[in-house]
Amino acid sequence: DAKTTQPNSMESNEEEPVHLPCNHSTISGTDYIHWYRQLPSQGPEYVIHGLTSNVNNRMASLAIAEDRKSSTLILHRATLRDAAVYYCILRDVGEWNDMRFGAGTRLTVKP
Amino acid sequence: KAGVTQTPRYLIKTRGQQVTLSCSPISGHRSVSWYQQTPGQGLQFLFEYFSETQRNKGNFPGRFSGRQFSNSRSEMNVSTLELGDSALYLCASSLATTGGYTFGSGTRLTVV
Repeated sequence: DAKTTQPNSMESNEEEPVHLPCNHSTISGTDYIHWYRQLPSQGPEYVIHGLTSNVNNRMASLAIAEDRKSSTLILHRATLRDAAVYYCILRDVGEWNDMRFGAGTRLTVKP
Repeated sequence: KAGVTQTPRYLIKTRGQQVTLSCSPISGHRSVSWYQQTPGQGLQFLFEYFSETQRNKGNFPGRFSGRQFSNSRSEMNVSTLELGDSALYLCASSLATTGGYTFGSGTRLTVV
């Protein structure tokens, strides 16, 4: 069963920032926080991942709480192409692909 | 560079038959994982291979099996197909255990 909790859906306006939350209260010290997104009719796409410090890449930023029990994926300027299901997943560095996907958050972007 | 390639893209099979799906990972990636995606159950982990060895297995019956070849290409097989096996089967590859996974576009299997 999934070890993360995400809202079922969120809405955003185009060109505005989006903050997608994820709770993972049972996270262990060796769990990396991964985010993937899935566009319609496509396989999931890697977005970002991190362990303790906040991370930035060309797609998004990942803000990790100090106690690591929650994190937030930040899309700085949402576009219509960002409409997708976003998955927050914990992956233990010591285990081979123990990535259990939950239901994710369906993001709708309004023009 | 080429992404993860899955073949075929679409497949229709009859109950009781068996099917083999293929996955070619990104060049240099030695870890290959398989997932099943259905509207009711979402994305479910099937198994992962690294250097031709199965490292982890999800909660699926023995009808689901896989293997990985020395060139890292992987195949999964489903025997005695059931209607409930209709799903999108996704393959993902990774360079290292701490990195992200790259997914293919999947094989959509329909069992009739």
